[in-house]
Amino acid sequence: AQSVAQPEDQVNVAEGNPLTVKCTYSVSGNPYLFWYVQYPNRGLQFLLKYITGDNLVKGSYGFEAEFNKSQTSFHLKKPSALVSDSALYFCAVRNQAGTALIFGKGTTLSVSS
Amino acid sequence: GAVVSQHPSRVICKSGTSVKIECRSLDFQATTMFWYRQFPKQSLMLMATSNEGSKATYEQGVEKDKFLINHASLTLSTLTVTSAHPEDSSFYICSASGRQTNQPQHFGDGTRLSIL
Repeated sequence: AQSVAQPEDQVNVAEGNPLTVKCTYSVSGNPYLFWYVQYPNRGLQFLLKYITGDNLVKGSYGFEAEFNKSQTSFHLKKPSALVSDSALYFCAVRNQAGTALIFGKGTTLSVSS
Repeated sequence: GAVVSQHPSRVICKSGTSVKIECRSLDFQATTMFWYRQFPKQSLMLMATSNEGSKATYEQGVEKDKFLINHASLTLSTLTVTSAHPEDSSFYICSASGRQTNQPQHFGDGTRLSIL
């Protein structure tokens, strides 16, 4: 069965420092991986995806993610964090049917000024 | 980018009331729409998947008679919470996708449902 794990409930970084939000996955076959961000009382906003190709994927708002097949990881990164990046981040994998998304439990990112 | 509109954003009503939530794809044809439920500080739980013109597929443990889903067109899906009770209070989010499975789903802004 497809699954996604986000091992950290919360990540705290200072503004201007690099950030990493971790995600590991378990799939049969090739993974379709996604990162979404959620602000309070809002839906999810798409950040980036990995389908195939380059392992380093660049997305919205300066975020990027590195697909590592051997470690089955898809960590979200940003070179310099902003206070406005503070939000709830979800990693997701497409299910086997290729329809719905299976989400990790989410990681709260807190960027302090 | 693709836009999904969800309405209403917030509903407060008495126990026993039925509540309808609408999800519209504004600038693309949504062949598939999804309904999720999110509890505070938790992840999204998929409730059901609906394809235009056919019956929704419900996830295990989700009562189909309680949560009625209609996907009558390529731009509109509705979720009706029938005879809502306080335990149905939650944040409900819809999402939509087109025909290509390698494209991201696009999410509505969610509906905060509070049953008194």
